[in-house]
Amino acid sequence: KNQVEQSPQSLIILEGKNCTLQCNYTVSPFSNLRWYKQDTGRGPVSLTIMTFSENTKSNGRYTATLDADTKQSSLHITASQLSDSASYICVVSAASGTYKYIFGTGTRLKVLA
Amino acid sequence: GAGVSQSPSNKVTEKGKDVELRCDPISGHTALYWYRQSLGQGLEFLIYFQGNSAPDKSGLPSDRFSAERTGGSVSTLTIQRTQQEDSAVYLCASSPVGAGEQFFGPGTRLTVL
Repeated sequence: KNQVEQSPQSLIILEGKNCTLQCNYTVSPFSNLRWYKQDTGRGPVSLTIMTFSENTKSNGRYTATLDADTKQSSLHITASQLSDSASYICVVSAASGTYKYIFGTGTRLKVLA
Repeated sequence: GAGVSQSPSNKVTEKGKDVELRCDPISGHTALYWYRQSLGQGLEFLIYFQGNSAPDKSGLPSDRFSAERTGGSVSTLTIQRTQQEDSAVYLCASSPVGAGEQFFGPGTRLTVL
């Protein structure tokens, strides 16, 4: 069964600290993996997208990594800010051209001053 | 430019009533998706529209749910005889092509009393 699991479920860190969120998937065949940020009361917004051949991709203070062999991805947030408080969702596409995406349940991050 | 908009932002209804949720996608986007996001759950695929093709309704949970997309633009998700388990956030997304990057609306929070 195609699944996407994220950990931790929730995380609290102090402003300025770094953190890493994990995503493990069992989706096969694999096409691409996206990380989304969802602020409270808003829709998800794309942060990064990686295909099978990409190992890392950055978007400002966000850096995503992908190990397609172990089917793991991580999202590293550097020098966290209060505005980083949100849910971070890992989404995997099962095959090229498919519109069926498998969504993780997300990690809820809270950054404290 | 304008993003995906949804209305209403919040809807409280009584069990057994019908509700209509509206989605205005980004102009020119051919693909439109509806998802349901329940507390602590990942996004659940409901329905997919792509251009003039027949929609993929495979995610609709029951025959009380239906959706249409008029003129290839605005979409309406209708839930008949609402039940308490229908309470969730309903998210709409559009993309310029099928299986492309999705742009999400802010969602409609539905509460069934």
